[in-house]
Amino acid sequence: DGGITQSPKYLFRKEGQNVTLSCEQNLNHDAMYWYRQDPGQGLRLIYYSQIVNDFQKGDIAEGYSVSREKKESFPLTVTSAQKNPTAFYLCASSIRGDRELQETQYFGPGTRLLVL
Amino acid sequence: QKEVEQNSGPLSVPEGAIASLNCTYSDRGSQSFFWYRQYSGKSPELIMFIYSNGDKEDGRFTAQLNKASQYVSLLIRDSQPSDSATYLCAVDAGTALIFGKGTTLSVSS
Repeated sequence: DGGITQSPKYLFRKEGQNVTLSCEQNLNHDAMYWYRQDPGQGLRLIYYSQIVNDFQKGDIAEGYSVSREKKESFPLTVTSAQKNPTAFYLCASSIRGDRELQETQYFGPGTRLLVL
Repeated sequence: QKEVEQNSGPLSVPEGAIASLNCTYSDRGSQSFFWYRQYSGKSPELIMFIYSNGDKEDGRFTAQLNKASQYVSLLIRDSQPSDSATYLCAVDAGTALIFGKGTTLSVSS
């Protein structure tokens, strides 16, 4: 089955701790994205990557870091500098090329991060 | 600052009625428009995309786009209780999408 997987489903972070959220896709998509969703809010873009070994900051990148060493993987690290990390984190991917599908993004199931 | 605006709702309709969800956007250069459905606690799933002015139909769903008015809408015909969810409008901003905050739809049986 092709799709996007995220792990873990729930993650607990202690004060001052860095935590890493996993995102893997086997859709052969070039582009991958990380969003944060707070209750009653839309999705806010944290980071995105259009190609391996390259990524760009989104609207709320402070306190987060990413890497894109493989096409299939785009992990997100929530650092201790992110003072309010409690949120629902969504990873997405999109194929590039065909105009009609250019920016259609498909989402993983999400990771809910809670602060202890 | 590029923006996408939606009425947060809740929009309440009886079963079998037509639900109309609306979205406006600020960037005149946007070319692609998307509607996602998100059930509580779940991730968004794509319902439809549209990039030409006019209507696009897929089953009970119709997306309508008016680029001159910077307006996109989603009609759901014969609404079902299973349609109760939050509907997110998304607009392309070149290399990423900008999402609205979503409209919560409640369909009563």
